[in-house]
This record gives sequence, C-alpha cells and structure tokens, in this order.
Amino acid sequence: NAGVMQNPRHLVRRRGQEARLRCSPMKGHSHVYWYRQLPEEGLKFMVYLQKENIIDESGMPKERFSAEFPKEGPSILRIQQVVRGDSAAYFCASSLETGGDQPQHFGDGTRLSIL
Amino acid sequence: GENVEQHPSTLSVQEGDSAVIKCTYSDSASNYFPWYKQELGKGPQLIIDIRSNVGEKKDQRIAVTLNKTAKHFSLHITETQPEDSAVYFCAADTGGFKTIFGAGTRLFVKA
Repeated sequence: NAGVMQNPRHLVRRRGQEARLRCSPMKGHSHVYWYRQLPEEGLKFMVYLQKENIIDESGMPKERFSAEFPKEGPSILRIQQVVRGDSAAYFCASSLETGGDQPQHFGDGTRLSIL
Repeated sequence: GENVEQHPSTLSVQEGDSAVIKCTYSDSASNYFPWYKQELGKGPQLIIDIRSNVGEKKDQRIAVTLNKTAKHFSLHITETQPEDSAVYFCAADTGGFKTIFGAGTRLFVKA
C-alpha cells in the first residue's frame, strides 16, 4: 500500500537549467497538492490539481513555474530557468477527496539545490 | 483568507514531561484541524486530527483539544520520549481545498 512517491529525492541544477519534480499520489487519490518549504520554515501552498485540471495555482510564482497532472502518469512540477532562490524542499501531497476532514498525505519531498 | 498562528516556535522538555503546542486560526468557517509531525529529511506525517463537532480527541499519548469559540486548538503529548523530537505543524481547513499550515514547532525531548 504505497504512499505518495516523489522523485528524485535530491536534485541539483545550475542556474538557468530546468528542474522537473515528479509526484505519484496514493492509490485511488485524484487530488494533488504541491508545497514549498524553506529551511526552518513551514509549508507554503503552491498549487492544487485534479486529473488534467489546475484548480488553484494562487501560490505559484507567475513566471517560470508550472504544474500538471495528466490523465496517465505522475504530477509534474516544472521550474524553468532556475535561480538560487528556488533552492528549497518541494513536497507533494494527495487526498482521496477534497473538502473538510479529508487529510492530505505527504511524500518525502524533493530537495532542490541550485548551484 | 485563513491565517494560522502556532506557538511556541521551539520547545524543549525533559523526557517524561508533557509538551503542549498551541494554534489559533482566523476563519470561523474552518472545520477540520490536522496535526503533522515532520522528522528530519522526511515529509510531514499526519498524527492526529479533529473535526469541528468534537472538542477533544485522544490517541494514546497524544491528544488534541479544540475551542471553536476562541478559535484555538492545541496538541498535548504526555510522557514524552526522545523519538517525539521533531517539527510539529498544525493546520486548518475550511472545507475547501486549501489547508493552511502553521509555521511549525521544533520539539526537543532531552533524555
């Protein structure tokens, strides 16, 4: 009964490159959330997706960041032309449904380092 | 929008003592309050949750209380053990899709 799977666990990129972070939700979950966490800080909401739809991306930077959750395959968080400030841990969570009393289950994150 | 404040930011207790972490929220429509534990290098793990129609919930050494009038909720850990050392996050959910997290409490349990 696999939980939320994220890969890679660690990703190193040089400034200007692209970073692609993958998230496979728990079996049966169709709701995916992405969060960003800086060292010693809390979780900041970025985007909420259902299959093939972005429901809310109010936490995503307007440029360089995009997310998708295709009908088949994992959810992808894509960061283009990375900068040093993008260095952080990125966590994905999934839930069975949305709305009150449906917990989000988290993966172990991708730690992105920008050289 | 919802805002969740969490205190203290750091808490150090002696093994066997109790630890209490407090959170307040701003949106009276919030109706679900999960608590997460995050160990070093791991993702947050749900440890207990409470819904707005309940005032208290207990699971072994962990308990959560909710005061809807005052809009605050607390996590209580009794008989703390070194393995309880971690960062704990409270959160509030209005029944929509956006769960708002507190800033976290770093708990140290000294053996």
